[in-house]
Amino acid sequence: AQSVTQLDSHVSVSEGTPVLLRCNYSSSYSPSLFWYVQHPNKGLQLLLKYTSAATLVKGINGFEAEFKKSETSFHLTKPSAHMSDAAEYFCVVSDRGSGGGADGLTFGKGTHLIIQP
Amino acid sequence: SAVISQKPSRDICQRGTSLTIQCQVDSQVTMMFWYRQQPGQSLTLIATANQGSEATYESGFVIDKFPISRPNLTFSTLTVSNMSPEDSSIYLCSVEDDSSYEQYFGPGTRLTVT
Repeated sequence: AQSVTQLDSHVSVSEGTPVLLRCNYSSSYSPSLFWYVQHPNKGLQLLLKYTSAATLVKGINGFEAEFKKSETSFHLTKPSAHMSDAAEYFCVVSDRGSGGGADGLTFGKGTHLIIQP
Repeated sequence: SAVISQKPSRDICQRGTSLTIQCQVDSQVTMMFWYRQQPGQSLTLIATANQGSEATYESGFVIDKFPISRPNLTFSTLTVSNMSPEDSSIYLCSVEDDSSYEQYFGPGTRLTVT
């Protein structure tokens, strides 16, 4: 079985400061990991993904995430926050592609990112 | 990435009635999924819909309540049957890229049951 834990339900940072959204996962296989963003009243957008290639993954809008197998973590970072980054962020795990057989994605509970001016 | 549309975008329904949500994608895909996002919550997978086979439901979801059709490789429907206020949620369909296993989501259908 696969699972995801997002360690913070809310994160508040000042504009221009670094962002860190924490995620730990559990999987019996070699999982694929994703970060999705959901802006208010907007659809889900894929930020980035890890699928067993480079452990440091670069995504859109300056976000990146590092896969650390020893820590079972996939934290999302951005060097400098922008007001437009305010949104809900979901860490997601999938066993598909590694023989896990689970069909859909397993979502974390989400982290609400607040950007202070 | 695939372009996905859903109809309706939102609806307000009375308890005891049923609503069918349509999901259309602009390319042929093998795997389609239906998710539910309850107010202020994360997404939960309802079922997987492959063309030519019966939908596979996750624990806690049953076909009588959420019947799904998948008549071809670009279209699927989800029906929410005998609705109650607890069914008030956003319902999203997604499609999977056959090679990358990335999933792309539709804009969602916001359902309110009164």
